[in-house]
Amino acid sequence: GAVVSQHPSWVICKSGTSVKIECRSLDFQATTMFWYRQFPKQSLMLMATSNEGSKATYEQGVEKDKFLINHASLTLSTLTVTSAHPEDSSFYICSAGDRSEIRETQYFGPGTRLLVL
Amino acid sequence: AQRVTQPEKLLSVFKGAPVELKCNYSYSGSPELFWYVQYSRQRLQLLLRHISRESIKGFTADLNKGETSFHLKKPFAQEEDSAMYYCALLMDSNYQLIWGAGTKLIIKP
Repeated sequence: GAVVSQHPSWVICKSGTSVKIECRSLDFQATTMFWYRQFPKQSLMLMATSNEGSKATYEQGVEKDKFLINHASLTLSTLTVTSAHPEDSSFYICSAGDRSEIRETQYFGPGTRLLVL
Repeated sequence: AQRVTQPEKLLSVFKGAPVELKCNYSYSGSPELFWYVQYSRQRLQLLLRHISRESIKGFTADLNKGETSFHLKKPFAQEEDSAMYYCALLMDSNYQLIWGAGTKLIIKP
């Protein structure tokens, strides 16, 4: 199947700093990528839908000014957690759909573990 | 409203026993359903999707539109099947996945 990478795989930062997470589709083009948070022992929570060349669509309750999403190309989307606080510590996962497939399947990145001190 | 329900948070069975992980959905459109698996410390992986009607790692799932279910089954569980299993529904309008809460499957030796 298709491969989605994320970088970094984990990051520790001080409260108040900003952290950028990259999501790349390595061998296919993804018009749309999705960003999720996963809390321990819980299911994925969709944060936003990242659309190439346009603004991201945020889910209710997700602050768009805090979680900046940029989808600059068909293979790269970035999530920037601005002015991070300890409550932002979580596991962030991106996914991308391979539109070349007859029926789109979401492929997931390995996730980025963020710890805000 | 669209919704995916996995009623069991935890399912524990002995090795060699049959396994059934339940998934029910609510969706007004044409449902396309998936099962994803997350092994310990690994990324989410697609296990199977209903349109392909494949059997992967011995697992099968049949879409039952009458009962709005997509239960995952395996006749003989193996220890390596221990993982988190998520049922998901793809919305054809925006390609978003609606996720179930997940079921942790533990296979006891």
